Amino acid sequence: DAGITQSPRHKVTETGTPVTLRCHQTENHRYMYWYRQDPGHGLRLIHYSYGVKDTDKGEVSDGYSVSRSKTEDFLLTLESATSSQTSVYFCAITPGQGRGNTEAFFGQGTRLTVV
Amino acid sequence: LAKTTQPISMDSYEGQEVNITCSHNNIATNDYITWYQQFPSQGPRFIIQGYKTKVTNEVASLFIPADRKSSTLSLPRVSLSDTAVYYCLVGDPWGGADGLTFGKGTHLIIQP
Repeated sequence: DAGITQSPRHKVTETGTPVTLRCHQTENHRYMYWYRQDPGHGLRLIHYSYGVKDTDKGEVSDGYSVSRSKTEDFLLTLESATSSQTSVYFCAITPGQGRGNTEAFFGQGTRLTVV
Repeated sequence: LAKTTQPISMDSYEGQEVNITCSHNNIATNDYITWYQQFPSQGPRFIIQGYKTKVTNEVASLFIPADRKSSTLSLPRVSLSDTAVYYCLVGDPWGGADGLTFGKGTHLIIQP
């Protein structure tokens, strides 16, 4: 299995509090992604990163920010959590062009509940 | 506009071959077709990827016609453990948002 770890795996937080989820990889892959998954939906992209300090928005980026200060870590922050952000969050990594294998690897997911 | 269209759900029985078709009428020249499998409470897992014709690995086959406007994932002799959601993705597989845009997938249910 690819070296990708999400933390925490479960979290319950109160509305209005800040929350940070962490994705850590040991594969030295260039691209990292954050998704959310809700019942009745597939995975929806929140933000992704194509290198250290290089990030871009996905289709559901409102209310989320990200940071990538080193290759191995990609942080997702909910500045002020709302109940609509209750979801399962997945991190993914891909190697980038010219790196051969194009398979994406996903973390185990973080179940976030905002009460 | 969705890049791919696939059935919402399918049912089959153990030991049968299952074919899931995905439509991608607007596929670009540089796009690849990739399929992922997801079990409940787990992240998606790569199954197979192709550009044209037929690709086969130890778990599935992928059939892509010459016009590349559709593709078919074929799972031989399915078992109960193949019950999962299957996603068809079209795009640049090397990185960026384009190649990892998911639709709602096909929920495959295998019965005894």
